[in-house]
Amino acid sequence: ETGVTQTPRHLVMGMTNKKSLKCEQHLGHNAMYWYKQSAKKPLELMFVYSLEERVENNSVPSRFSPECPNSSHLFLHLHTLQPEDSALYLCASSRLTGGPLGQFFGPGTRLTVL
Amino acid sequence: GQQVMQIPQYQHVQEGEDFTTYCNSSTTLSNIQWYKQRPGGHPVFLIQLVKSGEVKKQKRLTFQFGEAKKNSSLHITATQTTDVGTYFCAGKRDSNYQLIWGAGTKLIIKP
Repeated sequence: ETGVTQTPRHLVMGMTNKKSLKCEQHLGHNAMYWYKQSAKKPLELMFVYSLEERVENNSVPSRFSPECPNSSHLFLHLHTLQPEDSALYLCASSRLTGGPLGQFFGPGTRLTVL
Repeated sequence: GQQVMQIPQYQHVQEGEDFTTYCNSSTTLSNIQWYKQRPGGHPVFLIQLVKSGEVKKQKRLTFQFGEAKKNSSLHITATQTTDVGTYFCAGKRDSNYQLIWGAGTKLIIKP
């Protein structure tokens, strides 16, 4: 599947580094999402963008900063992360209206914070 | 707060046996969606149920949405090794962009 792509696929960073995760969707969707998936925990929604406006922010620490420059691209900027932030970060996109509203996920970025 | 409870957490079956996972919401949902995540993979959208009492089938998979639109189930008949993975339900409320995710049920085929 190439509908939603994410880069990088793996990232190892120190607590003082700054890095960015990138997501691109080729499905013509108008909503995009960042999720965090940790072992043995439900999917945690971090941010939702609808028509390029942030509409949900689930009390995510400020060391995570999203950016949505257009409806096809989504970034997650990371700085001064903690080891407990190590997880799989998933991007997803969906339509907002008309037909099944399922979310289509990218392959994820496996993040390790040392 | 808003929750979707999903059980069981794990289910071990012999190949050829059936598998069922259940989701129960504390509030009425506008729709419920089901996803499958293979080991090492990402969630893949399977289906959306919208109507009260709705039943949908995809080959060996049967999805149900309860009359009160608070519960749902996924039943797999005669499991195969390709069915291995974690199955998630996710409910949506009318007034919100968010999906409320269940914790998932991991299907394990016994060797």
